[in-house]
Amino acid sequence: QVQLQESGPGLVKPSQTLSLTCTVSGVSMGSSDSTGYYWSWIRQHPGKGLEWIGYIYYGGTTKYNPSLKGRVTISVDTSKNQFSLRLTSVTAADTAVYYCAKGGATVTPDWGQGTLVTVSS
Amino acid sequence: DIRLTQSPSSLSASLRDRVTITCRASQSVDSHLSWYQVKSGKAPKLLIYSASNLQSGVPARFSGSGSGTDFTLTIATLEPEDFATYYCQQSDTIPWTFGPGTKVEIK
Repeated sequence: QVQLQESGPGLVKPSQTLSLTCTVSGVSMGSSDSTGYYWSWIRQHPGKGLEWIGYIYYGGTTKYNPSLKGRVTISVDTSKNQFSLRLTSVTAADTAVYYCAKGGATVTPDWGQGTLVTVSS
Repeated sequence: DIRLTQSPSSLSASLRDRVTITCRASQSVDSHLSWYQVKSGKAPKLLIYSASNLQSGVPARFSGSGSGTDFTLTIATLEPEDFATYYCQQSDTIPWTFGPGTKVEIK
């Protein structure tokens, strides 16, 4: 059974970079069995709905939400069985619960519990 | 971006009621539509994928239907653990987008 756990700072200052890591267990991200998996980040602003941030899949191909205007990078470290999110030049509008998730091209069944990141000085 | 709207935005229902939530897309998403249940502090739970397929382990009282632009999530008989917020999501076109959510509350 796959499990995902987000980790990283809960507080980030405005204009700085938000960095989160998702540790994956129950599946080897570097195995041939994992080539069809999409590793995603999604966020939920306080009291608001869900927003897809982007994903990375086998070979390092990434897709991002254009609303984030080039501020986002998702990467994978198969040696640690982790994938990461970097969001630069953050503002208060980036305060949210951030979820990591695993899925396929059209379905995302496995999610972490989420981690709250607050942007404040 | 494909915009998803949900109705109602919230509803009050009693145990064992039948509940129906609709999701409408601004353009066709084929059958690439999922439904999630979200509770505070918990991982979102996939209920339905590809519009009408029940995710493994999800009770059969949940069902989904639709294709193209109009979709429905039905809970046949509401149980205590079903009080939550429900979101639809399209994965047909990048960026993937979510509906604004439907909060199901106890009457």
